[in-house]
Amino acid sequence: QSALTQPASVSGSPGQSITISCAGTSSDVGGSNSVSWYQQHPDKAPKLIIYEVLSRPSGVSNRFSGSKSGNTASLTISGLQAEDEADYYCSSYVSGTTYVVFGGGTKMTVL
Amino acid sequence: QVQLQESGPGLVKPSETLSLTCVVSGGSIRSYYWTWIRQPPGKALEWIGYMHYTGNTNFNPSLKSRVTISVDTSKSRFSLELSSVTAADTAVYYCAAYFDFWNGSLGYWGQGTLVTVSA
Repeated sequence: QSALTQPASVSGSPGQSITISCAGTSSDVGGSNSVSWYQQHPDKAPKLIIYEVLSRPSGVSNRFSGSKSGNTASLTISGLQAEDEADYYCSSYVSGTTYVVFGGGTKMTVL
Repeated sequence: QVQLQESGPGLVKPSETLSLTCVVSGGSIRSYYWTWIRQPPGKALEWIGYMHYTGNTNFNPSLKSRVTISVDTSKSRFSLELSSVTAADTAVYYCAAYFDFWNGSLGYWGQGTLVTVSA
Protein backbone atom coordinates (compact mmCIF):
# COMPACT_ATOMS: atom_id res chain seq x y z
CA GLN A 1 0.00 0.00 0.00
CA SER A 2 1.52 3.35 -1.07
CA ALA A 3 1.77 6.30 1.24
CA LEU A 4 -0.71 9.11 0.85
CA THR A 5 0.60 12.11 -1.11
CA GLN A 6 1.14 15.44 0.61
CA PRO A 7 3.02 18.54 -0.56
CA ALA A 8 6.51 18.61 0.89
CA SER A 9 6.11 22.14 2.18
CA VAL A 10 3.67 25.01 2.53
CA SER A 11 4.05 28.46 4.04
CA GLY A 12 2.01 31.42 5.09
CA SER A 13 2.19 34.66 7.00
CA PRO A 14 0.74 35.19 10.47
CA GLY A 15 -3.00 35.63 10.33
CA GLN A 16 -3.37 34.02 6.93
CA SER A 17 -4.98 30.67 6.14
CA ILE A 18 -3.27 27.72 4.51
CA THR A 19 -4.50 24.36 3.24
CA ILE A 20 -2.56 21.09 3.14
CA SER A 21 -3.80 18.38 0.80
CA CYS A 22 -3.62 14.62 1.27
CA ALA A 23 -4.21 12.67 -1.91
CA GLY A 24 -5.07 9.02 -1.81
CA THR A 25 -7.18 6.58 -3.77
CA SER A 26 -10.64 5.09 -3.63
CA SER A 27 -9.07 2.30 -1.57
CA ASP A 28 -8.12 4.55 1.29
CA VAL A 29 -9.03 8.25 1.60
CA GLY A 30 -11.84 8.06 -0.92
CA GLY A 31 -13.35 4.90 0.52
CA SER A 32 -13.11 5.69 4.20
CA ASN A 33 -14.07 8.40 6.69
CA SER A 34 -11.16 7.40 8.92
CA VAL A 35 -8.91 10.27 7.85
CA SER A 36 -6.84 11.79 10.66
CA TRP A 37 -4.33 14.62 10.82
CA TYR A 38 -1.36 14.95 13.15
CA GLN A 39 0.84 17.89 14.09
CA GLN A 40 4.49 17.20 14.96
CA HIS A 41 6.86 19.79 16.34
CA PRO A 42 10.62 19.11 16.08
CA ASP A 43 11.76 16.24 18.29
CA LYS A 44 8.27 15.77 19.67
CA ALA A 45 5.69 13.04 19.29
CA PRO A 46 2.84 13.60 16.83
CA LYS A 47 -0.38 15.08 18.23
CA LEU A 48 -3.84 14.20 16.88
CA ILE A 49 -5.59 17.36 15.66
CA ILE A 50 -8.32 16.02 13.35
CA TYR A 51 -10.09 12.64 13.19
CA GLU A 52 -12.93 11.23 11.10
CA VAL A 53 -12.12 13.78 8.37
CA LEU A 54 -13.36 16.87 10.23
CA SER A 55 -13.71 16.23 13.98
CA ARG A 56 -11.42 17.89 16.53
CA PRO A 57 -10.35 16.28 19.80
CA SER A 58 -11.10 18.24 22.93
CA GLY A 59 -8.58 21.01 23.45
CA VAL A 60 -7.56 21.42 19.81
CA SER A 61 -8.00 24.94 18.46
CA ASN A 62 -10.93 25.55 16.13
CA ARG A 63 -8.44 27.23 13.79
CA PHE A 64 -7.79 23.68 12.54
CA SER A 65 -10.41 22.22 10.23
CA GLY A 66 -10.62 19.18 7.97
CA SER A 67 -12.52 18.24 4.87
CA LYS A 68 -12.58 15.67 2.08
CA SER A 69 -13.54 15.65 -1.56
CA GLY A 70 -13.30 12.43 -3.49
CA ASN A 71 -9.89 10.84 -2.92
CA THR A 72 -8.32 13.96 -1.40
CA ALA A 73 -8.51 15.15 2.19
CA SER A 74 -7.50 18.62 3.29
CA LEU A 75 -6.38 20.34 6.48
CA THR A 76 -6.94 24.08 6.76
CA ILE A 77 -5.25 26.22 9.37
CA SER A 78 -6.77 29.66 9.72
CA GLY A 79 -5.33 32.66 11.52
CA LEU A 80 -1.80 31.28 11.29
CA GLN A 81 0.31 31.64 14.41
CA ALA A 82 4.02 31.08 14.95
CA GLU A 83 3.25 28.03 17.10
CA ASP A 84 1.60 26.34 14.11
CA GLU A 85 4.98 25.91 12.45
CA ALA A 86 5.41 22.14 12.43
CA ASP A 87 5.20 19.02 10.29
CA TYR A 88 1.72 17.76 9.48
CA TYR A 89 0.78 14.18 8.58
CA CYS A 90 -2.46 12.70 7.32
CA SER A 91 -3.47 9.08 7.75
CA SER A 92 -6.27 6.80 6.68
CA TYR A 93 -7.39 3.24 7.05
CA VAL A 94 -7.22 1.22 3.88
CA SER A 95 -10.86 0.62 3.07
CA GLY A 96 -12.32 -2.46 4.69
CA THR A 97 -9.22 -3.03 6.81
CA THR A 98 -7.56 -1.73 9.94
CA TYR A 99 -4.27 -1.13 8.14
CA VAL A 100 -3.13 2.47 8.63
CA VAL A 101 -1.38 4.34 5.84
CA PHE A 102 0.29 7.71 6.47
CA GLY A 103 1.07 10.60 4.19
CA GLY A 104 4.62 11.66 3.48
CA GLY A 105 4.29 14.73 5.69
CA THR A 106 4.19 18.48 5.02
CA LYS A 107 6.50 21.02 6.60
CA MET A 108 4.48 24.13 7.38
CA THR A 109 6.47 27.34 7.77
CA VAL A 110 5.14 30.57 9.20
CA LEU A 111 6.89 33.42 7.39
CA GLN B 1 -5.50 10.54 30.58
CA VAL B 2 -3.52 7.65 29.12
CA GLN B 3 0.24 8.10 29.33
CA LEU B 4 2.78 5.96 27.53
CA GLN B 5 6.52 5.52 28.05
CA GLU B 6 8.81 3.54 25.77
CA SER B 7 12.00 1.86 26.91
CA GLY B 8 14.63 -0.37 25.38
CA PRO B 9 18.15 -0.46 23.93
CA GLY B 10 19.14 2.49 21.81
CA LEU B 11 21.61 0.46 19.77
CA VAL B 12 21.00 -2.89 18.10
CA LYS B 13 23.39 -4.85 15.90
CA PRO B 14 22.43 -5.84 12.34
CA SER B 15 20.65 -9.21 12.07
CA GLU B 16 19.67 -9.10 15.75
CA THR B 17 16.22 -8.51 17.26
CA LEU B 18 15.01 -5.08 18.33
CA SER B 19 12.96 -5.22 21.55
CA LEU B 20 11.00 -2.32 23.03
CA THR B 21 8.49 -2.03 25.86
CA CYS B 22 5.79 0.55 26.46
CA VAL B 23 4.41 1.09 29.96
CA VAL B 24 0.81 2.25 30.22
CA SER B 25 -0.50 4.50 32.98
CA GLY B 26 -3.70 6.46 33.49
CA GLY B 27 -5.83 3.91 31.68
CA SER B 28 -6.59 0.21 31.54
CA ILE B 29 -4.48 -2.02 29.29
CA ARG B 30 -7.74 -3.82 28.45
CA SER B 31 -9.50 -0.70 27.16
CA TYR B 32 -7.46 0.19 24.10
CA TYR B 33 -5.81 -1.13 20.99
CA TRP B 34 -2.05 -0.70 21.35
CA THR B 35 0.14 0.13 18.41
CA TRP B 36 3.69 0.83 17.33
CA ILE B 37 4.73 3.45 14.79
CA ARG B 38 8.21 4.38 13.65
CA GLN B 39 9.85 7.36 11.97
CA PRO B 40 13.28 7.10 10.31
CA PRO B 41 15.36 10.25 10.82
CA GLY B 42 14.00 13.05 8.65
CA LYS B 43 11.32 10.82 7.15
CA ALA B 44 7.61 10.12 7.47
CA LEU B 45 5.67 8.08 9.97
CA GLU B 46 5.22 4.36 9.30
CA TRP B 47 2.58 2.24 11.02
CA ILE B 48 3.98 -1.07 12.28
CA GLY B 49 0.95 -2.80 13.76
CA TYR B 50 -1.39 -3.16 16.70
CA MET B 51 -2.56 -5.64 19.28
CA HIS B 52 -5.57 -5.84 21.59
CA TYR B 53 -5.31 -7.77 24.85
CA THR B 54 -7.81 -10.28 23.40
CA GLY B 55 -5.18 -11.23 20.84
CA ASN B 56 -6.65 -9.30 17.91
CA THR B 57 -3.72 -8.09 15.81
CA ASN B 58 -2.85 -6.56 12.46
CA PHE B 59 0.51 -5.66 10.98
CA ASN B 60 2.00 -3.64 8.17
CA PRO B 61 2.38 -6.18 5.33
CA SER B 62 5.90 -4.94 4.63
CA LEU B 63 7.00 -5.82 8.19
CA LYS B 64 4.63 -8.63 9.09
CA SER B 65 7.13 -11.46 8.75
CA ARG B 66 9.52 -9.83 11.25
CA VAL B 67 7.15 -8.25 13.81
CA THR B 68 5.77 -9.52 17.09
CA ILE B 69 3.60 -7.40 19.38
CA SER B 70 2.54 -8.66 22.78
CA VAL B 71 0.43 -7.32 25.64
CA ASP B 72 1.15 -8.06 29.31
CA THR B 73 -2.01 -7.27 31.25
CA SER B 74 -0.42 -8.10 34.61
CA LYS B 75 2.23 -5.41 34.17
CA SER B 76 0.14 -2.96 32.13
CA ARG B 77 2.61 -2.86 29.31
CA PHE B 78 3.02 -3.97 25.71
CA SER B 79 6.04 -4.82 23.66
CA LEU B 80 7.49 -4.83 20.16
CA GLU B 81 9.99 -7.25 18.71
CA LEU B 82 11.44 -6.72 15.24
CA SER B 83 13.75 -9.46 14.04
CA SER B 84 16.63 -9.51 11.56
CA VAL B 85 17.13 -5.76 11.69
CA THR B 86 19.17 -3.77 9.20
CA ALA B 87 20.23 -0.13 9.00
CA ALA B 88 16.88 0.60 7.35
CA ASP B 89 15.20 -0.13 10.68
CA THR B 90 16.97 2.80 12.35
CA ALA B 91 14.18 5.09 13.50
CA VAL B 92 12.39 6.74 16.38
CA TYR B 93 9.89 4.18 17.60
CA TYR B 94 6.65 5.41 19.15
CA CYS B 95 4.12 3.43 21.11
CA ALA B 96 0.60 4.75 20.77
CA ALA B 97 -3.04 3.99 21.45
CA TYR B 98 -6.13 4.60 19.40
CA PHE B 99 -8.38 7.42 20.60
CA ASP B 100 -11.07 5.44 18.76
CA PHE B 101 -9.98 2.23 17.08
CA TRP B 102 -12.92 2.22 14.68
CA ASN B 103 -11.88 5.47 13.04
CA GLY B 104 -8.13 4.91 13.26
CA SER B 105 -7.42 8.01 15.30
CA LEU B 106 -4.20 7.70 17.32
CA GLY B 107 -4.83 9.95 20.29
CA TYR B 108 -2.21 8.84 22.77
CA TRP B 109 1.51 8.74 22.04
CA GLY B 110 4.69 8.00 23.94
CA GLN B 111 7.60 10.41 23.64
CA GLY B 112 9.43 8.09 21.26
CA THR B 113 12.75 6.30 21.53
CA LEU B 114 15.54 6.34 18.97
CA VAL B 115 16.86 2.94 17.96
CA THR B 116 20.00 2.82 15.86
CA VAL B 117 21.00 -0.33 14.00
CA SER B 118 24.76 -0.45 13.69
CA ALA B 119 27.62 -2.82 14.31
